Amino acid sequence: QLQLQESGPGLVKPSETLSLTCTVSGGSISSSHYFWGWIRQPPGKGLEWIGIIYFSGSTYYNPSLKSRVTISVDTSTNQFSLKLTSVTAADTAVYYCARQYEVELATMGELDYWGQGTLVTVSS
Amino acid sequence: SYVLTQPPSVSVAPGKTARISCGGNNIGSKSVHWYQQKPGQAPVLVIYYDTDRPSGIPERFSGSNSGNTATLTISRVEAGDEADYYCQVWDSSSDHQNVFGTGTKVTVL
Repeated sequence: QLQLQESGPGLVKPSETLSLTCTVSGGSISSSHYFWGWIRQPPGKGLEWIGIIYFSGSTYYNPSLKSRVTISVDTSTNQFSLKLTSVTAADTAVYYCARQYEVELATMGELDYWGQGTLVTVSS
Repeated sequence: SYVLTQPPSVSVAPGKTARISCGGNNIGSKSVHWYQQKPGQAPVLVIYYDTDRPSGIPERFSGSNSGNTATLTISRVEAGDEADYYCQVWDSSSDHQNVFGTGTKVTVL
């Protein structure tokens, strides 16, 4: 059974960089047709997509966050990571990692496996 | 950018049918996926590619998609169906990106 687990600091200071890692177990991050991504949810609000990455390094980002986001992948450790720079209180959220199926070139389908999520608070 | 609009809330009595809409421009031309999220938990996929159910999801959950509206239908609603529900599509029209709906809180009376 595929499992995803987020890890990283639960508290980040304003203007600093938020860094999270998602560890994939029970399957390979190098599997064909699957992208790996990040989604966040501010307290009491809806889901916001951040971005996805393929094991080759190909990425797609939310245009509204693109200038501050970097997603990377490490196939040797079966992990992928999120970096979000210049954070503010508005970046306080539960951050989820998830797997997404690529239906055909540059077209994505469903997010079928999710991590449990990790709360990141931005505060001094 | 592409926008998906859902009603903030839907209330339904046990045993009745709940219908949750997801509105978007020509959404019928896209594949729509639906997620259930209970408090404190990660979202769970309940419908994908408009009408398909993952294994383990009850047949009471069904979906449709046409024109400018996709719909998630929950038949014979149970107390355990009380949750937030989100639709999602992949928008290739301009920027390639995932778009989530605004979310609907389903309350079982």
